[in-house]
Amino acid sequence: NAGVTQTPKFRVLKTGQSMTLLCAQDMNHEYMYWYRQDPGMGLRLIHYSVGEGTTAKGEVPDGYNVSRLKKQNFLLGLESAAPSQTSVYFCASSPDRFWGAFFGQGTRLTVV
Amino acid sequence: GQQLNQSPQSMFIQEGEDVSMNCTSSSIFNTWLWYKQDPGEGPVLLIALYKAGELTSNGRLTAQFGITRKDSFLNISASIPSDVGIYFCAGQGNSGNTPLVFGKGTRLSVIA
Repeated sequence: NAGVTQTPKFRVLKTGQSMTLLCAQDMNHEYMYWYRQDPGMGLRLIHYSVGEGTTAKGEVPDGYNVSRLKKQNFLLGLESAAPSQTSVYFCASSPDRFWGAFFGQGTRLTVV
Repeated sequence: GQQLNQSPQSMFIQEGEDVSMNCTSSSIFNTWLWYKQDPGEGPVLLIALYKAGELTSNGRLTAQFGITRKDSFLNISASIPSDVGIYFCAGQGNSGNTPLVFGKGTRLSVIA
């Protein structure tokens, strides 16, 4: 009963380093999303995907890239981390009608 | 872009009291969703609303899709300590591929 699994759960990066956050879902959902959550800002959409091989920009895409090579996985990349990217990152997936219905437990990223 | 105004930002209530929070938008939404986030966890979907005027309950929670399609309300009756958390509203606009827009959340504290 995994649902949406995010890896890693915590990470500390130095400015300029790169990393990839992995999201995996086992519900055969078409849609997947990456959000970031900052205090007082709610959840802001970074990128999303409406199916395998597709990606689209959300509200705050700058500094991030994504890939959806397999239906069950959605990767979020930071090529050159900046302190402004310190945040909690959430992945979510949904079947056709619901948007963002199922969330992972989050990845807490700190960039120093 | 579409924005949601969620209020109140935070609230402190006594155990057993009823709670009401709301979300308003400057544009029309086709779907309203209400989520709850516990500390250190991802948001969990509580209630989904798809029709203007719709009133839906989930245990002690009741949510309504406003007639104008620009607002939604969430009520919690007879609050208990485990109701503590952040409640988010989210809405989806007219276009079929429009991602969800989230409010900034209402932080609920329950005093036993």
